Amino acid sequence: NAGVTQTPKFQVLKTGQSMTLQCAQDMNHEYMSWYRQDPGMGLRLIHYSVGAGITDQGEVPNGYNVSRSTTEDFPLRLLSAAPSQTSVYFCASSLRRGLAGYNEQFFGPGTRLTVL
Amino acid sequence: LAKTTQPISMDSYEGQEVNITCSHNNIATNDYITWYQQFPSQGPRFIIQGYKTKVTNEVASLFIPADRKSSTLSLPRVSLSDTAVYYCLVGDPGAAGNKLTFGGGTRVLVKP
Repeated sequence: NAGVTQTPKFQVLKTGQSMTLQCAQDMNHEYMSWYRQDPGMGLRLIHYSVGAGITDQGEVPNGYNVSRSTTEDFPLRLLSAAPSQTSVYFCASSLRRGLAGYNEQFFGPGTRLTVL
Repeated sequence: LAKTTQPISMDSYEGQEVNITCSHNNIATNDYITWYQQFPSQGPRFIIQGYKTKVTNEVASLFIPADRKSSTLSLPRVSLSDTAVYYCLVGDPGAAGNKLTFGGGTRVLVKP
């Protein structure tokens, strides 16, 4: 298993440009999430999905769109990049469990985005 | 989601035991306590999760008192490679989306 993969690893954009960050997992996980991490800070949830065709907003959704057409893929779209979106973006996935307890999230290696 | 409070940083030496205490006064009945580890330029990695009393795995132990308002992550005999940021999270892992709320974490520096 490759686990959670993200592309690209690095990206530089100009203000106003749009782009899509790719995320894929091969563990048949139902839950997928996008987080951003600013320097020296913890991670903040952008959007998440509980299954194909279902997405919802997290803590900081403005300026980002997501879709989940398949179980494996969960792309994050920046509509019009702004310098405030300069950050490291992490995608994560986990199993859906009917009962609470032991629900590990698996994180990808991250995408470092700089917006000039 | 319950908020957590943990020390900003801790220093230790190789071979010592490191204990990081996390406060979570507003923990709910269905909430579990989960710890993640993050190395520079990497995504967080799950360490351990527990509900009450004590949980131990090959990496760490997690101590949770009866009132569950705090918890302590214990890393036995740390090495230089344990230098990382450690996050304490509280939430219901059975809730839709398994969403996580990260605080600032504790930066642990292990010295030779």
